[in-house]
Amino acid sequence: QVQLVESGGGVVQPGRSLRLSCAASGFTFSNYAMHWVRQAPGKGLEWVTVISYDGTNKYNADSVKGRFTISRDNSKNTLNLQMNSLRAEDTAVYYCAKGRGVGSGSFGDVWGQGTLVTVSS
Amino acid sequence: QSALTQPASVSGSPGQSITISCTGTSSDVDVYTYVSWYQQHPGKAPKLMIYEVTNRPSGVSNRFSGSKSGNTASLTISGLQTEDEADYYCSSYTGSSTWVFGGGTKLTVL
Repeated sequence: QVQLVESGGGVVQPGRSLRLSCAASGFTFSNYAMHWVRQAPGKGLEWVTVISYDGTNKYNADSVKGRFTISRDNSKNTLNLQMNSLRAEDTAVYYCAKGRGVGSGSFGDVWGQGTLVTVSS
Repeated sequence: QSALTQPASVSGSPGQSITISCTGTSSDVDVYTYVSWYQQHPGKAPKLMIYEVTNRPSGVSNRFSGSKSGNTASLTISGLQTEDEADYYCSSYTGSSTWVFGGGTKLTVL
């Protein structure tokens, strides 16, 4: 079935780096843009970043610009999020989410289960 | 990228209808049809309920409907059921390939 599974979360010290992954299955991964969305404990959803279906275009929220980099490997059906210079305010559950289709500005018809990132000394 | 404005909470009784508003600006909700609504139960991932203002994904009950007027989008749930109790979030495309969410609304079914 259509599925996204995140991994890579954990506890990391401020200023350090962490790399999240999202494994896709059940659909043609290379046809869809992919997003990362995060949710701080007890807070709302925050859109983080998006990558186009072929990996050529990437866009970030201002809150992570210059620190987070999204990437994808269509040969392995994998989405990644490289997070550098982590701050306490980056503590959140990180979800990967599927775009609805080429040219669509909608996303989230498929979500992963989330992976928790805790930034703490 | 300011968050869209949603009421913090709404409530209703089983069988009733409720509407959740989502107010943006002339840079997002007002000018784009890419407004979506998500349902999130505690400890679970969000679920897409409405996309492109009015469209329901396959499998979503027709008790859920969406609309938009100017810079305000709305989600209406008719025939409230206990399982509808959850947090609801709106989102909108903002241009320049970025998106924004609302702050979320907690729906209580009394």
